[in-house]
Amino acid sequence: GENVEQHPSTLSVQEGDSAVIKCTYSDSASNYFPWYKQELGKRPQLIIDIRSNVGEKKDQRIAVTLNKTAKHFSLHITETQPEDSAVYFCAASMGGYSTLTFGKGTMLLVSP
Amino acid sequence: GAVVSQHPSRVICKSGTSVKIECRSLDFQATTMFWYRQFPKQSLMLMATSNEGSKATYEQGVEKDKFLINHASLTLSTLTVTSAHPEDSSFYICSAMEGVTGELFFGEGSRLTVL
Repeated sequence: GENVEQHPSTLSVQEGDSAVIKCTYSDSASNYFPWYKQELGKRPQLIIDIRSNVGEKKDQRIAVTLNKTAKHFSLHITETQPEDSAVYFCAASMGGYSTLTFGKGTMLLVSP
Repeated sequence: GAVVSQHPSRVICKSGTSVKIECRSLDFQATTMFWYRQFPKQSLMLMATSNEGSKATYEQGVEKDKFLINHASLTLSTLTVTSAHPEDSSFYICSAMEGVTGELFFGEGSRLTVL
């Protein structure tokens, strides 16, 4: 089955800096890669996703890149703000009704 | 976006009792729902996939007789933790897949504490 590795497990940055979280996946058949943000005790929220037919997607301060050959994808957050502090999960699936396999999560702490 | 409601958000029960958690898709029909367990500071662990009108598919290591899942309608799936023990204390989250886009929406989660 699919295996998703996520790094780093914790990331501390100063407000205004950029943050990058990286994930690798094992199943070359995976074609859907969402990223979720989970604040403490709350539900995960989809923040951005990418499908395998594109290499990069951007939404304001958030961007995701995908390298299918290397089987890795990354989340980039620019101009970080304290409210960006949360746990971020990457995931991979084969799309459609396939189950998502989650990474272990990255706790991002943005200090003012 | 679509809304998934999970109830109760918090439940405390005595060891040996059973607890039912509901997961509802409020504005869309979900043929597929998922149940996860999350330990503090850890990732979401998929427990089972719930398909409307059929038996749930459980992940390896998850006891189906312990965690009963029922998906009786296109908008409701329930997870019953039977004969709960303190080690079952955890944060349980459901998600529902929106049929057109395939996007996953999560419930608010249910924090179970077994005394």
